[in-house]
Amino acid sequence: DGGITQSPKYLFRKEGQNVTLSCEQNLNHDAMYWYRQDPGQGLRLIYYSQIVNDFQKGDIAEGYSVSREKKESFPLTVTSAQKNPTAFYLCASSIGTATSTDTQYFGPGTRLTVL
Amino acid sequence: QQQVKQSPQSLIVQKGGISIINCAYENTAFDYFPWYQQFPGKGPALLIAIRPDVSEKKEGRFTISFNKSAKQFSLHIMDSQPGDSATYFCAASKGSNYKLTFGKGTLLTVNP
Repeated sequence: DGGITQSPKYLFRKEGQNVTLSCEQNLNHDAMYWYRQDPGQGLRLIYYSQIVNDFQKGDIAEGYSVSREKKESFPLTVTSAQKNPTAFYLCASSIGTATSTDTQYFGPGTRLTVL
Repeated sequence: QQQVKQSPQSLIVQKGGISIINCAYENTAFDYFPWYQQFPGKGPALLIAIRPDVSEKKEGRFTISFNKSAKQFSLHIMDSQPGDSATYFCAASKGSNYKLTFGKGTLLTVNP
């Protein structure tokens, strides 16, 4: 079964704690992405990675960190510096053709709630 | 600055009717315009996409109309079905830039 998996599906965190969201893909895609989705706000790009050991900030990177040590994995850490972390987090991947038509495929998402 | 504006925010259509969702963009460098469909609790999935060198693209009941001079594009869903009830996002990207810029989404409800 090819695709993108995100775990856990639901995550609860206390204020002041860091938490790491997992994203794994077996599509052999070079590029991976993290988005945040809030009601009525669409999808906003947090970080993206075009290749292993390289990543760039998206539009709302403050309070988040990522790593890309393996091609198939792109974990996202939500740090205590993120002021409003409660949201639905989506991971995506694409072949990485460096063209605008490079289709992004999304995982099922992780819903993070800060208590 | 919102580069892709989507309307309406929500839409209710009767079964068999036509659903129309509109998007407008500002950046003339955008050259790829996909539409994504998202069901509750799931990730978005690519529905249909268009390049600005064509004015219309049709796939089954789904059609994108593109107006380059007006910097607008729209999604038409013909013979809307209750199973089409979902949130729809338009998006845009440019050149070798990996980034997709999304609209804020339209919640479509198709009543039986």
